[in-house]
Amino acid sequence: QVQLVQSGAEVKRPGASVRVSCKASGYTFSNYAMHWVRQAPGQSPEWMGWINPATGKTGYSQKFQGRVTISRDTSASTAYMEVTNLTSEDSSLYYCARVPYGGRFDSWGQGTLVTVSS
Amino acid sequence: DIQMTQSPSSLSASVGDTVTITCQASQGIINSLNWYQQKIGRAPKLLIHATSTLETGVPSRFSGSGSGTSFTLTISSLQPEDFATYFCQQYEGHPYTFGPGTKLDI
Repeated sequence: QVQLVQSGAEVKRPGASVRVSCKASGYTFSNYAMHWVRQAPGQSPEWMGWINPATGKTGYSQKFQGRVTISRDTSASTAYMEVTNLTSEDSSLYYCARVPYGGRFDSWGQGTLVTVSS
Repeated sequence: DIQMTQSPSSLSASVGDTVTITCQASQGIINSLNWYQQKIGRAPKLLIHATSTLETGVPSRFSGSGSGTSFTLTISSLQPEDFATYFCQQYEGHPYTFGPGTKLDI
Protein backbone atom coordinates (compact mmCIF):
# COMPACT_ATOMS: atom_id res chain seq x y z
CA GLN A 1 0.00 0.00 0.00
CA VAL A 2 1.05 3.60 -0.50
CA GLN A 3 3.18 4.92 2.35
CA LEU A 4 4.84 8.26 2.88
CA VAL A 5 7.21 8.29 5.83
CA GLN A 6 8.60 11.61 6.96
CA SER A 7 11.65 12.49 9.00
CA GLY A 8 11.42 13.24 12.69
CA ALA A 9 10.60 16.36 14.66
CA GLU A 10 13.03 19.28 14.57
CA VAL A 11 13.76 22.17 16.90
CA LYS A 12 15.50 25.12 15.30
CA ARG A 13 16.69 28.58 16.26
CA PRO A 14 15.33 31.63 14.44
CA GLY A 15 17.32 32.27 11.26
CA ALA A 16 18.24 28.61 10.84
CA SER A 17 17.13 26.25 8.07
CA VAL A 18 15.35 22.92 8.23
CA ARG A 19 15.07 20.09 5.74
CA VAL A 20 12.27 17.55 5.95
CA SER A 21 12.33 14.30 4.01
CA CYS A 22 9.47 12.18 2.75
CA LYS A 23 10.18 8.60 1.67
CA ALA A 24 7.62 7.02 -0.61
CA SER A 25 6.86 3.32 -0.98
CA GLY A 26 4.13 1.16 -2.45
CA TYR A 27 3.98 2.94 -5.80
CA THR A 28 6.22 4.27 -8.57
CA PHE A 29 7.65 7.46 -7.09
CA SER A 30 8.24 9.21 -10.41
CA ASN A 31 4.67 8.80 -11.58
CA TYR A 32 2.98 11.11 -9.06
CA ALA A 33 3.52 14.71 -8.04
CA MET A 34 4.53 15.34 -4.44
CA HIS A 35 3.19 18.36 -2.64
CA TRP A 36 4.05 19.95 0.68
CA VAL A 37 1.50 21.43 3.06
CA ARG A 38 1.91 22.84 6.52
CA GLN A 39 -0.60 23.15 9.32
CA ALA A 40 -0.15 25.29 12.41
CA PRO A 41 -1.93 24.15 15.60
CA GLY A 42 -5.66 24.77 15.35
CA GLN A 43 -5.36 26.11 11.81
CA SER A 44 -6.28 24.79 8.41
CA PRO A 45 -3.67 23.36 6.05
CA GLU A 46 -1.58 25.76 3.96
CA TRP A 47 -0.20 24.67 0.59
CA MET A 48 3.50 25.39 0.08
CA GLY A 49 4.58 23.89 -3.21
CA TRP A 50 5.09 20.79 -5.31
CA ILE A 51 7.54 18.79 -7.36
CA ASN A 52 7.24 16.53 -10.38
CA PRO A 53 9.60 13.72 -9.35
CA ALA A 54 10.10 12.58 -12.94
CA THR A 55 11.36 15.93 -14.24
CA GLY A 56 12.30 17.81 -11.10
CA LYS A 57 10.01 20.67 -12.06
CA THR A 58 8.82 22.60 -9.02
CA GLY A 59 6.19 25.19 -8.21
CA TYR A 60 5.78 27.27 -5.09
CA SER A 61 3.20 29.38 -3.38
CA GLN A 62 4.25 32.99 -3.78
CA LYS A 63 4.22 33.26 0.00
CA PHE A 64 7.14 30.85 0.21
CA GLN A 65 8.96 31.64 -3.03
CA GLY A 66 12.65 32.18 -2.37
CA ARG A 67 12.58 30.66 1.09
CA VAL A 68 11.40 27.12 0.34
CA THR A 69 13.12 24.60 -1.90
CA ILE A 70 11.59 21.27 -2.84
CA SER A 71 13.82 18.57 -4.33
CA ARG A 72 13.87 14.83 -4.83
CA ASP A 73 16.12 11.81 -5.09
CA THR A 74 14.43 9.38 -7.42
CA SER A 75 16.90 6.60 -6.61
CA ALA A 76 15.76 6.79 -2.99
CA SER A 77 12.08 7.53 -3.76
CA THR A 78 12.41 10.50 -1.45
CA ALA A 79 11.26 14.10 -1.65
CA TYR A 80 12.72 16.90 0.40
CA MET A 81 11.49 20.29 1.51
CA GLU A 82 13.87 22.90 2.90
CA VAL A 83 12.82 26.13 4.56
CA THR A 84 15.43 28.79 5.22
CA ASN A 85 15.56 31.83 7.51
CA LEU A 86 13.09 30.31 9.97
CA THR A 87 10.98 32.45 12.27
CA SER A 88 8.55 31.51 15.02
CA GLU A 89 5.77 31.80 12.42
CA ASP A 90 7.21 28.72 10.73
CA SER A 91 6.54 26.54 13.79
CA SER A 92 4.10 24.07 12.33
CA LEU A 93 3.39 20.50 11.30
CA TYR A 94 4.72 19.89 7.80
CA TYR A 95 3.19 17.22 5.57
CA CYS A 96 4.10 15.72 2.24
CA ALA A 97 1.19 14.49 0.16
CA ARG A 98 0.94 12.52 -3.07
CA VAL A 99 -1.16 14.05 -5.81
CA PRO A 100 -2.11 11.72 -8.69
CA TYR A 101 -3.73 14.50 -10.71
CA GLY A 102 -5.25 17.91 -10.26
CA GLY A 103 -5.25 18.82 -6.58
CA ARG A 104 -6.29 15.47 -5.22
CA PHE A 105 -4.13 14.86 -2.12
CA ASP A 106 -4.82 11.15 -1.83
CA SER A 107 -2.03 10.01 0.50
CA TRP A 108 -0.29 11.95 3.24
CA GLY A 109 2.82 11.51 5.32
CA GLN A 110 2.51 11.36 9.09
CA GLY A 111 3.70 14.94 9.46
CA THR A 112 6.91 16.45 10.81
CA LEU A 113 6.71 18.94 13.65
CA VAL A 114 9.09 21.85 13.26
CA THR A 115 9.47 24.13 16.28
CA VAL A 116 11.32 27.42 15.95
CA SER A 117 12.38 28.83 19.27
CA SER A 118 15.23 30.81 20.70
CA ASP B 1 -5.45 33.80 -4.26
CA ILE B 2 -8.83 32.09 -4.10
CA GLN B 3 -10.23 32.40 -0.58
CA MET B 4 -12.33 29.60 0.84
CA THR B 5 -14.87 30.04 3.62
CA GLN B 6 -16.84 27.38 5.47
CA SER B 7 -19.94 27.43 7.58
CA PRO B 8 -20.59 26.67 10.27
CA SER B 9 -17.21 26.79 11.98
CA SER B 10 -18.46 24.24 14.49
CA LEU B 11 -21.45 21.98 14.69
CA SER B 12 -22.88 19.74 17.37
CA ALA B 13 -24.89 16.73 16.31
CA SER B 14 -25.94 13.29 17.46
CA VAL B 15 -25.40 9.81 16.10
CA GLY B 16 -27.98 9.22 13.38
CA ASP B 17 -28.36 12.88 12.45
CA THR B 18 -27.82 14.33 9.00
CA VAL B 19 -25.54 17.36 8.75
CA THR B 20 -24.55 19.72 5.96
CA ILE B 21 -21.38 21.79 5.75
CA THR B 22 -21.10 24.63 3.26
CA CYS B 23 -17.98 25.85 1.49
CA GLN B 24 -17.81 29.07 -0.53
CA ALA B 25 -15.08 30.14 -2.94
CA SER B 26 -14.18 33.79 -3.55
CA GLN B 27 -14.35 33.16 -7.29
CA GLY B 28 -15.66 30.44 -9.55
CA ILE B 29 -13.77 27.16 -9.33
CA ILE B 30 -16.05 25.09 -11.57
CA ASN B 31 -16.05 21.73 -9.71
CA SER B 32 -12.40 21.77 -8.54
CA LEU B 33 -13.23 21.13 -4.91
CA ASN B 34 -12.16 18.40 -2.50
CA TRP B 35 -13.29 17.52 1.01
CA TYR B 36 -11.07 16.15 3.76
CA GLN B 37 -11.70 14.73 7.20
CA GLN B 38 -9.14 15.23 9.93
CA LYS B 39 -9.04 13.64 13.35
CA ILE B 40 -6.87 14.89 16.17
CA GLY B 41 -3.23 13.95 15.72
CA ARG B 42 -3.79 12.57 12.23
CA ALA B 43 -3.17 13.79 8.70
CA PRO B 44 -6.17 14.89 6.65
CA LYS B 45 -7.95 12.12 4.80
CA LEU B 46 -9.42 12.71 1.35
CA LEU B 47 -13.13 11.93 1.31
CA ILE B 48 -14.46 13.49 -1.89
CA HIS B 49 -12.74 14.89 -4.95
CA ALA B 50 -14.02 16.92 -7.87
CA THR B 51 -17.00 18.08 -5.77
CA SER B 52 -18.91 14.80 -5.68
CA THR B 53 -16.69 11.77 -6.38
CA LEU B 54 -16.31 9.57 -3.33
CA GLU B 55 -12.87 8.16 -2.68
CA THR B 56 -12.56 4.40 -2.61
CA GLY B 57 -13.55 3.06 0.78
CA VAL B 58 -15.42 6.17 1.91
CA PRO B 59 -18.92 5.27 3.13
CA SER B 60 -21.84 6.28 0.95
CA ARG B 61 -23.34 8.36 3.78
CA PHE B 62 -20.88 11.06 2.65
CA SER B 63 -21.91 13.07 -0.38
CA GLY B 64 -20.86 16.30 -2.03
CA SER B 65 -22.50 18.72 -4.41
CA GLY B 66 -22.22 22.19 -5.87
CA SER B 67 -20.45 24.11 -8.60
CA GLY B 68 -19.02 27.53 -9.27
CA THR B 69 -18.62 29.16 -5.88
CA SER B 70 -20.92 27.22 -3.57
CA PHE B 71 -20.44 23.64 -2.40
CA THR B 72 -21.80 21.34 0.26
CA LEU B 73 -20.73 18.23 2.11
CA THR B 74 -23.57 16.18 3.55
CA ILE B 75 -23.14 13.38 6.04
CA SER B 76 -26.26 11.34 6.60
CA SER B 77 -26.89 8.99 9.50
CA LEU B 78 -23.86 10.18 11.47
CA GLN B 79 -21.69 7.49 12.99
CA PRO B 80 -19.43 7.89 16.04
CA GLU B 81 -16.32 7.81 13.83
CA ASP B 82 -17.56 10.82 11.82
CA PHE B 83 -16.91 13.30 14.61
CA ALA B 84 -13.90 15.20 13.32
CA THR B 85 -12.92 18.40 11.52
CA TYR B 86 -13.77 18.82 7.85
CA PHE B 87 -11.92 20.99 5.35
CA CYS B 88 -12.73 21.95 1.80
CA GLN B 89 -9.89 22.64 -0.67
CA GLN B 90 -9.90 24.20 -4.11
CA TYR B 91 -7.49 23.22 -6.86
CA GLU B 92 -8.73 25.40 -9.67
CA GLY B 93 -5.86 27.85 -9.22
CA HIS B 94 -2.48 28.05 -7.56
CA PRO B 95 -1.93 28.36 -4.71
CA TYR B 96 -4.28 25.58 -3.70
CA THR B 97 -6.22 26.84 -0.71
CA PHE B 98 -8.13 25.22 2.11
CA GLY B 99 -11.15 26.39 4.01
CA PRO B 100 -10.83 27.19 7.74
CA GLY B 101 -12.54 23.96 8.75
CA THR B 102 -15.76 22.83 10.40
CA LYS B 103 -15.47 20.98 13.68
CA LEU B 104 -18.18 18.40 14.10
CA ASP B 105 -18.67 17.15 17.62
CA ILE B 106 -21.20 15.34 19.67
